[in-house]
Amino acid sequence: GENVEQHPSTLSVQEGDSAVIKCTYSDSASNYFPWYKQELGKRPQLIIDIRSNVGEKKDQRIAVTLNKTAKHFSLHITETQPEDSAVYFCAAWGGADGLTFGKGTHLIIQP
Amino acid sequence: GAGVSQSPSNKVTEKGKDVELRCDPISGHTALYWYRQSLGQGLEFLIYFQGNSAPDKSGLPSDRFSAERTGGSVSTLTIQRTQQEDSAVYLCASSLVLVSDTQYFGPGTRLTVL
Repeated sequence: GENVEQHPSTLSVQEGDSAVIKCTYSDSASNYFPWYKQELGKRPQLIIDIRSNVGEKKDQRIAVTLNKTAKHFSLHITETQPEDSAVYFCAAWGGADGLTFGKGTHLIIQP
Repeated sequence: GAGVSQSPSNKVTEKGKDVELRCDPISGHTALYWYRQSLGQGLEFLIYFQGNSAPDKSGLPSDRFSAERTGGSVSTLTIQRTQQEDSAVYLCASSLVLVSDTQYFGPGTRLTVL
């Protein structure tokens, strides 16, 4: 089955700086890669996703890049704000197993 | 429109009891998923339904876990003879058609086994 590794587990950045979270996956057949934001005690919310037929996707301050050859994808958040503080999960769809999630990154935005 | 709903929101039970968790997907979504999130941990995939069928049940943690979906809509996750290690938040998600369509999560059911 699919295996997703996510780094770092904790990331602290100054407000206004950029944050980058990286994930690798194992199943070359995976073709859908969503990112979820989860605030404390709340459900995961999809913030951006990318499919294997594109290399990059942007939505305002958030972007995701995908390198299929290297089997890794990254989340980029620019001009970070206090409300960006949360746990972020990457995931990959590897066929009939549903989504396989990374273990999460706790993003802390320092004022 | 209405999102994915789950009930109950919280369930406290005694070890050895059976529990039933319910998920109402977004109307029209044919794919439905169950995940488990233990305290401070990531999300663990349990099972998914395409219509009323579950193609692969190997993600269920043990034979005490079962799930069904009827009418292509509501799904129930049943845990028999609950154990303390079953304590977690159980999340349901649904997507329009394909497994790789965008999944929308419900609020979860927090299960505590005493």
